[in-house]
Amino acid sequence: GQQVMQIPQYQHVQEGEDFTTYCNSSTTLSNIQWYKQRPGGHPVFLIQLVKSGEVKKQKRLTFQFGEAKKNSSLHITATQTTDVGTYFCAGRRGTASKLTFGTGTRLQVTL
Amino acid sequence: GAVVSQHPSWVICKSGTSVKIECRSLDFQATTMFWYRQFPKQSLMLMATSNEGSKATYEQGVEKDKFLINHASLTLSTLTVTSAHPEDSSFYICSARDQGRGGSEQYFGPGTRLTVT
Repeated sequence: GQQVMQIPQYQHVQEGEDFTTYCNSSTTLSNIQWYKQRPGGHPVFLIQLVKSGEVKKQKRLTFQFGEAKKNSSLHITATQTTDVGTYFCAGRRGTASKLTFGTGTRLQVTL
Repeated sequence: GAVVSQHPSWVICKSGTSVKIECRSLDFQATTMFWYRQFPKQSLMLMATSNEGSKATYEQGVEKDKFLINHASLTLSTLTVTSAHPEDSSFYICSARDQGRGGSEQYFGPGTRLTVT
């Protein structure tokens, strides 16, 4: 079945440092979404990427969808303690409505 | 807008009993809802897709007779964990798409933490 892996599993940074998580799918995706889950909370939608090579920015967050539509990345510039949480990518195949979630990257930010 | 609620937020039950979890879309209609299970420090695993007015579609490896899903209305889906065992202890999260808005993002409920003793 479809697998979506993320690296790293965990990253600890100091506030102000940059952070990147990478998402790789075993199959081509029609679109990819990113979610953030705070400790004890539920996933919250961040963004969706649809086009090959697409890049989108949200303030300090930059999202990229690979040319082959099998990988994606999320980059955070100058992390803040409010960025703490687990970041999941989630991909869709074809016209399917269901999402396959990646393994997640847990980000810890300290002062 | 696009709020999904779950009830209860946490439940403790004894082994062998059944537990029902409700998922409601509060301000939109959802023909499709999704049920996930998340173990500590792990990812969300899709259990089943709940379709209003028809049978749920279960993912491979998920026992449909153990995890009963009912999607009787456009705003309510229920998941019943039958004959629960300690290994069923987990965080159960539902989500729904607000197709009326034309978006494809999923809105997640706050989750239900189930502990089976």
